[in-house]
Amino acid sequence: KAGVTQTPRYLIKTRGQQVTLSCSPISGHRSVSWYQQTPGQGLQFLFEYFSETQRNKGNFPGRFSGRQFSNSRSEMNVSTLELGDSALYLCASSLGRTSYEQYFGPGTRLTVT
Amino acid sequence: AQSVAQPEDQVNVAEGNPLTVKCTYSVSGNPYLFWYVQYPNRGLQFLLKYITGDNLVKGSYGFEAEFNKSQTSFHLKKPSALVSDSALYFCAVRDPTDSWGKLQFGAGTQVVVTP
Repeated sequence: KAGVTQTPRYLIKTRGQQVTLSCSPISGHRSVSWYQQTPGQGLQFLFEYFSETQRNKGNFPGRFSGRQFSNSRSEMNVSTLELGDSALYLCASSLGRTSYEQYFGPGTRLTVT
Repeated sequence: AQSVAQPEDQVNVAEGNPLTVKCTYSVSGNPYLFWYVQYPNRGLQFLLKYITGDNLVKGSYGFEAEFNKSQTSFHLKKPSALVSDSALYFCAVRDPTDSWGKLQFGAGTQVVVTP
């Protein structure tokens, strides 16, 4: 089975712009979670989607949003980018509520200048 | 609120020696605990989990972890470290009262295995 894929792998944006990141889960997985990884804050949970509905949300401003499509693919969007949004954004997929393991993609490295 | 702590920023060990990476947690009730490893420029790779049952959990690549409820710890161990085990290790906890899969991660421990 193919693993979790994330596109693009690297991205450079300017402050004030917006960005959309994409995640394709493992085939058959219906839950997708997003995490932000930075040297200062470590790994922080952004949100989780299951069956196209947001099920859980972390403590991030409203500039961070996401969605999930009927094929379980997910996108996250960050509007009005700030320098502090520079991070590795990781997507993880799992079968659903009763599945404990989450499988992570390689991440998208976002640099905001 | 749940939390997880990894008291060591870095662990240095010689190849062939035992490796231990420490993790303590704070969560109401019985925790769901996980270990992940991250290699440079890669995502996180699942190693093992504790949900219930035997306190000694065996995982991938020869790793194991021991759940200790009285000490609220979940230390990762490997009897004989390899140079290829050099990576960043994360302990994570999931609140069992949360229906969904939000993970709370520790700060991570860098493992350096020298030949």
